[in-house]
Amino acid sequence: NAGVTQTPKFQVLKTGQSMTLQCAQDMNHEYMSWYRQDPGMGLRLIHYSVGAGITDQGEVPNGYNVSRSTTEDFPLRLLSAAPSQTSVYFCASRTTAFGGANVLTFGAGSRLTVL
Amino acid sequence: EDQVTQSPEALRLQEGESSSLNCSYTVSGLRGLFWYRQDPGKGPEFLFTLYSAGEEKEKERLKATLTKKESFLHITAPKPEDSATYLCAVQARAQGGSEKLVFGKGTKLTVNP
Repeated sequence: NAGVTQTPKFQVLKTGQSMTLQCAQDMNHEYMSWYRQDPGMGLRLIHYSVGAGITDQGEVPNGYNVSRSTTEDFPLRLLSAAPSQTSVYFCASRTTAFGGANVLTFGAGSRLTVL
Repeated sequence: EDQVTQSPEALRLQEGESSSLNCSYTVSGLRGLFWYRQDPGKGPEFLFTLYSAGEEKEKERLKATLTKKESFLHITAPKPEDSATYLCAVQARAQGGSEKLVFGKGTKLTVNP
């Protein structure tokens, strides 16, 4: 059971470049989300999804796009990278089933540097 | 505004020296309080969920407690392998009836042998 898998682990971009961070989970979780973690700040929610075809914005959505075509995958796209998007990104998922544990399972993270 | 404040920011202990980490919160409609452990270079790993004041949960050397305004993570006789950053998060009611998770900045615990 792999849990939540993120790729790549490390990425360096130049300002203006675009890229996609991949996230896949094998737990059949309905809810998937993307967070960013910056020094001195708590984890902040970027986007989330409660099921295939359904996405919504979190606290810091600007500059990021998401889509959810399958239950398993939830990619995060940076359209035109900026130095302010240098961060560690975490994908997390959980079940939304009634009575299910309302606990997020996190991936190992993707460290992004934008020059 | 919903807020979660963790203290101290960093804590150094000697092996065997018990202590507590604090998580104080201000949220509208607490749905649950979560403790996570995060090791360097890894994602947060779930430890406990607490739902109501007076509730306590234990796991090995860790015990989490909850009041109406704060939660404590008590560490009894810590070992070097307990060194990590401990994150607190609260699940609150968001606009439109949805729920949101608000994280604190974490407490970095170092246990020296």
